[in-house]
Amino acid sequence: GQNIDQPTEMTATEGAIVQINCTYQTSGFNGLFWYQQHAGEAPTFLSYNVLDGLEEKGRFSSFLSRSKGYSYLLLKELQMKDSASYLCAVSGNYGQNFVFGPGTRLSVLP
Amino acid sequence: DSGVTQTPKHLITATGQRVTLRCSPRSGDLSVYWYQQSLDQGLQFLIQYYNGEERAKGNILERFSAQQFPDLHSELNLSSLELGDSALYFCASSTTGGGAKTGANVLTFGAGSRLTVL
Repeated sequence: GQNIDQPTEMTATEGAIVQINCTYQTSGFNGLFWYQQHAGEAPTFLSYNVLDGLEEKGRFSSFLSRSKGYSYLLLKELQMKDSASYLCAVSGNYGQNFVFGPGTRLSVLP
Repeated sequence: DSGVTQTPKHLITATGQRVTLRCSPRSGDLSVYWYQQSLDQGLQFLIQYYNGEERAKGNILERFSAQQFPDLHSELNLSSLELGDSALYFCASSTTGGGAKTGANVLTFGAGSRLTVL
């Protein structure tokens, strides 16, 4: 099966940098995905990693280490609108596809 | 607009009743996923269909069932409803059915159907 772990809550200050970690155990690996979800809204796709290393997309970057079963999402120049839950999801083999972690609720303070 | 359409947006019903939630995937997407999200909880995977066939099953209760039709839209049927079934139900679609190292596995979510059981 799959097991995904993330911190429950984090707080950061506007303009700062925050790193949200995700650890996972899975049988079969076809990629790790990060989503953003504002309360009561649909999750929206942020980034995708399938190879080790850093993927950068504007203010957001995501890192993956497959050997360690570890990923992080890095958010730079935090804005108030970044206050949301950040969900880590792993795509595994058929039958174990797209399981989401519990999510990390980020609060950005002025 | 994500391109994934879910109806109804809101639904209020009583315990013991049955409801059907509908999802139309993005044009070109063959795979449909259903998730349940209770208040302040994570996304719980229910079931996945690919091109009309069941591909994966998660923690879906026996009172719940789903299917994907030839036109690729999907319906999630919830019966004998209980108070604890109150939740946001999300549908998501993707181009592939998974099992491949490709960004085409990215899920696009609909806006959700909020079910309240009284």
